[in-house]
Amino acid sequence: DAKTTQPPSMDCAEGRAANLPCNHSTISGNEYVYWYRQIHSQGPQYIIHGLKNNETNEMASLIITEDRKSSTLILPHATLRDTAVYYCIVSVGIQAGTALIFGKGTTLSVSS
Amino acid sequence: GAVVSQHPSRVICKSGTSVKIECRSLDFQATTMFWYRQFPKQSLMLMATSNEGSKATYEQGVEKDKFLINHASLTLSTLTVTSAHPEDSSFYICSARDLGGSKTEAFFGQGTRLTVV
Repeated sequence: DAKTTQPPSMDCAEGRAANLPCNHSTISGNEYVYWYRQIHSQGPQYIIHGLKNNETNEMASLIITEDRKSSTLILPHATLRDTAVYYCIVSVGIQAGTALIFGKGTTLSVSS
Repeated sequence: GAVVSQHPSRVICKSGTSVKIECRSLDFQATTMFWYRQFPKQSLMLMATSNEGSKATYEQGVEKDKFLINHASLTLSTLTVTSAHPEDSSFYICSARDLGGSKTEAFFGQGTRLTVV
């Protein structure tokens, strides 16, 4: 079973920041927080991941609370192309060779 | 970045026939690949873990004789849906992690839309 809880849907106006929350209260010390998104009828696309510290890349920022029980994905300037299902996944790192287990995700709708 | 390629992207087959889906890691070696299935309006469900040179590990409820997985090389895994029926119609997605690289994330193929008529 997925170890994360996300709101089923969110709306965002084009050009505004989209803040997608995720609860992972049972996360273990060796587990990362990964974010992926899936645009309709495509494979999931990697966005960002982190362990303890906040992370930023060209797509998004990831804010992880100090107790690591929750996180927020921030898309700073949402566009219509960011409309997708966003998945927050908790998983051990690469060494374990384990599969990512997907929850239901958040459907983000960006409108003009 | 690392790329995983899946083929075909879309296939229609008659009930009772078999369909093979290929998953290739294009610029890295993948000793382990993963196969998922996704029904409409649902999330991805892990079907099996494909291990190079050994038998695949199937999730509970997934019939190993129906969904044959072969991982003959470090860059190719195949999923064969045998004796397909309309209820096997779904979106099949493969994934791989670059165990030899610096990236910890998993990479996904484009998916294969299977329709059984």
